[in-house]
Amino acid sequence: DQQVKQNSPSLSVQEGRISILNCDYTNSMFDYFLWYKKYPAEGPTFLISISSIKDKNEDGRFTVFLNKSAKHLSLHIVPSQPGDSAVYFCAASKTGNQFYFGTGTSLTVIP
Amino acid sequence: ETGVTQSPTHLIKTRGQQVTLRCSSQSGHNTVSWYQQALGQGPQFIFQYYREEENGRGNFPPRFSGLQFPNYSSELNVNALELDDSALYLCASSQGQGIYGYTFGSGTRLTVV
Repeated sequence: DQQVKQNSPSLSVQEGRISILNCDYTNSMFDYFLWYKKYPAEGPTFLISISSIKDKNEDGRFTVFLNKSAKHLSLHIVPSQPGDSAVYFCAASKTGNQFYFGTGTSLTVIP
Repeated sequence: ETGVTQSPTHLIKTRGQQVTLRCSSQSGHNTVSWYQQALGQGPQFIFQYYREEENGRGNFPPRFSGLQFPNYSSELNVNALELDDSALYLCASSQGQGIYGYTFGSGTRLTVV
């Protein structure tokens, strides 16, 4: 039972353009949403979070949007840089102690 | 500040054996969570420990057990290993629950043959 889904396994974007990574969830009780970035042979690194009381959170080049009615969140990276090439996971939680992760989207930023 | 350290990095075990994986939390973090990541999948929550007590458990059988020590380091024990237990095991620490993000270790790659 996959409660968090990332339907795009991969995405390629030109350097300097916008990268948009999408995530859908099924549980309307989720209150906390996080994005992680993962390089090969490393653990995931926390990027940005949003709680259900907000619909947007911004941190530098990274912005996360939450659409609760559609049970959808997205991560925007502007401008994209080659160093952003990694696998991106979204994660969601109801209580804050158990997070459900998507299967990840592999982003390639082409110089 | 030090990050999260996991040991060993790789491990091969035989079906039916027992294994212990270890994790040192990031300095200042009092909560540790363990996740299993199978190939091509996202991490799956095993359990979380806060102040040496289990504070939530995912859909894993009792042969998966854990400990958190007073210095906030942690162990994950798996008994009666099965082939499907082959995966990357990730330890993550946080100050309180993970709503502000975990710090993950690089993981232990367990192969059961």
